[in-house]
Amino acid sequence: DVKVTQSSRYLVKRTGEKVFLECVQDMDHENMFWYRQDPGLGLRLIYFSYDVKMKEKGDIPEGYSVSREKKERFSLILESASTNQTSMYLCASSPGLAGTDTQYFGPGTRLTVL
Amino acid sequence: AQKVTQAQTEISVVEKEDVTLDCVYETRDTTYYLFWYKQPPSGELVFLIRRNSFDEQNEISGRYSWNFQKSTSSFNFTITASQVVDSAVYFCALSGLNQGGKLIFGQGTELSVKP
Repeated sequence: DVKVTQSSRYLVKRTGEKVFLECVQDMDHENMFWYRQDPGLGLRLIYFSYDVKMKEKGDIPEGYSVSREKKERFSLILESASTNQTSMYLCASSPGLAGTDTQYFGPGTRLTVL
Repeated sequence: AQKVTQAQTEISVVEKEDVTLDCVYETRDTTYYLFWYKQPPSGELVFLIRRNSFDEQNEISGRYSWNFQKSTSSFNFTITASQVVDSAVYFCALSGLNQGGKLIFGQGTELSVKP
């Protein structure tokens, strides 16, 4: 079974804080993704990575950065959290060529920025 | 442009009814992939099915079945004899080699199955 885990299910932070969201997959997948999900806007891709130390911007990268130092771990960083970053964050991973294989999702982190 | 449309925002049925969730997609790619995911109240997106553009065979898995029709750009999902545990938001999604690796999601259909 594919297992994608995220460090927290719920997180509450204050405006201006630096926030780290961690994602770990145990299936040796090449690709990892960060999405955010908002009511009425659906799921939108923030960043993805197709290899260690490689990253690609998605549709809404502004205000975020990512880090992939090891194959199994993909971190999303909010450099200075703002209230409009309150959202559900979902991490996913997939094997093979990005855009062809199934993406498997973690349980999500519901982030509230006060 | 790549787009997935799930016109049904909410559907409510009574247990044991059959229900079909519609999905219409737009793409210029000749090779593409279609997916269905289930998101229960817990929030995790659960993978249900993946279909590539060259395989138009319908698929059945237990009470679930999928109807892929390239002629109408549709990939509909039917639940037979629905159960309360089927209550969730269901997403249809599209990906392809030219989409930068990302999944393009529809807006989701919230299915409520009442006892």
